Amino acid sequence: ETGVTQTPRHLVMGMTNKKSLKCEQHLGHNAMYWYKQSAKKPLELMFVYNFKEQTENNSVPSRFSPECPNSSHLFLHLHTLQPEDSALYLCASSQDQASGGRDTQYFGPGTRLTVL
Amino acid sequence: AQKVTQAQTEISVVEKEDVTLDCVYETRDTTYYLFWYKQPPSGELVFLIRRNSFDEQNEISGRYSWNFQKSTSSFNFTITASQVVDSAVYFCALSEALSQGNLIFGKGTKLSVKP
Repeated sequence: ETGVTQTPRHLVMGMTNKKSLKCEQHLGHNAMYWYKQSAKKPLELMFVYNFKEQTENNSVPSRFSPECPNSSHLFLHLHTLQPEDSALYLCASSQDQASGGRDTQYFGPGTRLTVL
Repeated sequence: AQKVTQAQTEISVVEKEDVTLDCVYETRDTTYYLFWYKQPPSGELVFLIRRNSFDEQNEISGRYSWNFQKSTSSFNFTITASQVVDSAVYFCALSEALSQGNLIFGKGTKLSVKP
């Protein structure tokens, strides 16, 4: 595997379900990101981890819970979601979040989430 | 405050036409980075280019070229002799040195290239 991978690619869940999204990067990076992309909205940054430490939580509701066990893996745990949470969830990685903005973020293919 | 504006929501061209995608940014930082990404229907954002604020030299990569002008706060992207495979949503993004690398994206321009 190369680059950034995400599983599953598609997910349909009910509002009472609990599910998890997985992201893995094979680039040797130290920073990982979760973004949400809704229809007709700009990409919204949700969470950032740098060297396994959470450095950014962009006022995300607690029904989204991130986990970063190591620099290569990032999870997004989902529970009691709402239909408006349906979106494309993108994971990205970069060398180091604290590089002063110069590091390029590389994205995975995303998970298309539908909440019924 | 930082902001990226892509005024063109959708553009439709015929194959082999040249097309320019506009990007205007706002920042108070003197050190910043500008990016272009391509998002094909599959969903993945594909990195195309990064430019830092101290390098205004235009860049060409095959059929792609970028025009960075600090005087107008613009970082426009031109595709020469467009092809159907260029059909995608293109995003311009800004990262400031003081923002801990967080990317601010424009709303994207959807490019449709028809045969």
